[in-house]
Order: sequence, then C-alpha cells, then structure tokens
Amino acid sequence: DGGITQSPKYLFRKEGQNVTLSCEQNLNHDAMYWYRQDPGQGLRLIYYSQIVNDFQKGDIAEGYSVSREKKESFPLTVTSAQKNPTAFYLCASRGSLNTEAFFGQGTRLTVV
Amino acid sequence: RKEVEQDPGPFNVPEGATVAFNCTYSNSASQSFFWYRQDCRKEPKLLMSVYSSGNEDGRFTAQLNRASQYISLLIRDSKLSDSATYLCVVKVGGGKLIFGQGTELSVKP
Repeated sequence: DGGITQSPKYLFRKEGQNVTLSCEQNLNHDAMYWYRQDPGQGLRLIYYSQIVNDFQKGDIAEGYSVSREKKESFPLTVTSAQKNPTAFYLCASRGSLNTEAFFGQGTRLTVV
Repeated sequence: RKEVEQDPGPFNVPEGATVAFNCTYSNSASQSFFWYRQDCRKEPKLLMSVYSSGNEDGRFTAQLNRASQYISLLIRDSKLSDSATYLCVVKVGGGKLIFGQGTELSVKP
C-alpha cells in the first residue's frame, strides 16, 4: 500500500547521544517535511526538502540535521546540540503544486 | 506576529451545535490553504482544502478571504466524533507548509 512510514514509533535515548529518525514514502512525492510537536502545541517546521539533494531549514532547525539522497527517504538526526529533544516528531510528504501533505504516524522520542 | 494564528481554544460545545474556527495568515503571497484534523496522540489528517470560492463537504464549510488573509471552518450539527484538534495550514512560496497552533474542540452529549 502507498504511504509514509516512520520508524520506530517509540524511541528512547540517553542524553548526549545522536539519534536518527527514519521516514520513507512510496507515494512518488517530491516534497518532504519534518515537524516537531510538543504537548498541547501545534506543529513546528524543522526542515523541508522540495527535491533530492536539496533541503531548507524550517523555523527550529538548530540541533537537527537531515539528508535527501533518495526521493523516497528523508531521515532526521537529532543531535546532542538539541537542548530539549523529547517530543513527537512527524514526517510528511506532498506531491506537486498545491496538493495536501500526508503524514506518517510519527515517532515519540524520549531522551532521559 | 506568528505566520499562522488560530483562535485559542478549547471550544466546548453540546452535540448539535454549530461551531466556527478562524485562522489568519501573515504572508500575502500564500498559495494554498488547508484544514487538518488531529486526534489525540495521532498524526494530522486532511479534513479539507480551502478554495477561493469557498467549499463545502457535508457538515463542514471552509472559506477563504484573501483580502483579509483569513480562513474559516464551520462545523454544523456537531457530533461527539468531531472532538479533536483542528489545524489551519498555509503553503507559502518555496513549498514551505506552516501550521497554526491548533484549536481543540470538545463536543459533549
């Protein structure tokens, strides 16, 4: 079935460790996005990519890094420089022009 | 000023009520507009796109006013199952998708 897959669903890491969240889509979408959501708040944009090998910082990119080596994949690394990494991370993809975005089920990251 | 701002919630309404959500955006070059619904601890899902002429889908009506940079969502005859957080989304140039902070709706029996 077509869709967006984020893995894992739950992730626990020790403070100071880098961690990479996976996002894969088989919708043949050009654009992909990473958002962070904290309890009771909206989605804040971390990074987005319109095409392979290109990506732009969103509003809260500090402490995060991404790559877009393949159209299907847009992994997000949460580095030790991110001060408050515990959050719900959502990946989305979007087709051409002004179409809507589709989301993966999200990854809940807890840093202890 | 935030790029996309929504009515602060929560909205608590009885079943059968009509409820309206409002959203304003700051970028006059915004290209497309959407309303998403998010259930607790789940991913957002598209409720409806918003077109310049306004559009309706059953009990839901969305309107766009480009001159005032304003989007609205009207829900008629509210159901218990409508309880969720409603997110206003704006696409600006370069493909950036910006979400409002969301408005929580609770429909009571």
